[in-house]
Amino acid sequence: QVQLQESGPGLVKPSETLSLTCTVSGGSISDHYWTWIRQPPGKGLEWIGNIYYTGQTYYDPSLKSRVTISVDTSKNHFALILSSVIAADTAVYYCGRWSKSGNTWRLDYWGPGTLVTVSS
Amino acid sequence: QTVVTQEPSLTVSPGGTVTLTCASSTGAVTSGYYPNWFQQKPGQVPRALIYNTDNKYSWTPARFSGSLLGGKAALTLSGVQPEDEAEYYCLLYYGATWVFGGGTQLTVL
Repeated sequence: QVQLQESGPGLVKPSETLSLTCTVSGGSISDHYWTWIRQPPGKGLEWIGNIYYTGQTYYDPSLKSRVTISVDTSKNHFALILSSVIAADTAVYYCGRWSKSGNTWRLDYWGPGTLVTVSS
Repeated sequence: QTVVTQEPSLTVSPGGTVTLTCASSTGAVTSGYYPNWFQQKPGQVPRALIYNTDNKYSWTPARFSGSLLGGKAALTLSGVQPEDEAEYYCLLYYGATWVFGGGTQLTVL
């Protein structure tokens, strides 16, 4: 059974950099797309970006200038970096796995999420 | 900036039928947007319900179905149960990026 687990600091100061890691267990990071999604308190879901296990990335245009997603296949994990954070970046951050087969896209596994608060 | 629009809230009686829709600011939603639907209950992780417009996961109850309706993606619940009260989100594909709808709060009353 594939499991994902987010990890990283729960508190980040304004203007600093948010860094999270998603560790994948019970399956290989290879041959899949992986994603970061966030949810500000009391608000809806926001797609941040995807990464293929080869390293190809796709980002939400509104965050593209501040976001970097990377993958480490040797450690079976992928990471999110969000720079120059502001209070509006406070959210629960989820990592997830896409299963893509031909023209089929399934976002079938999610991590439990981790709350990151931006505050001084 | 692409906007995906859902009904903010809907109310349905137990045993009733309700349809939630998902519209794109770019025009009609087609199967090429690979509509995905998710259910989220308070304090829980979102759970995938539907992928590629109308495909169910092994855990998706039979009363949930996905379709395209009038240029929108749609999620229909038939024979609604009290436990279906939740927030529902659609997710659409824009050729390398994805956009969530704002969510529909479904109340079963």
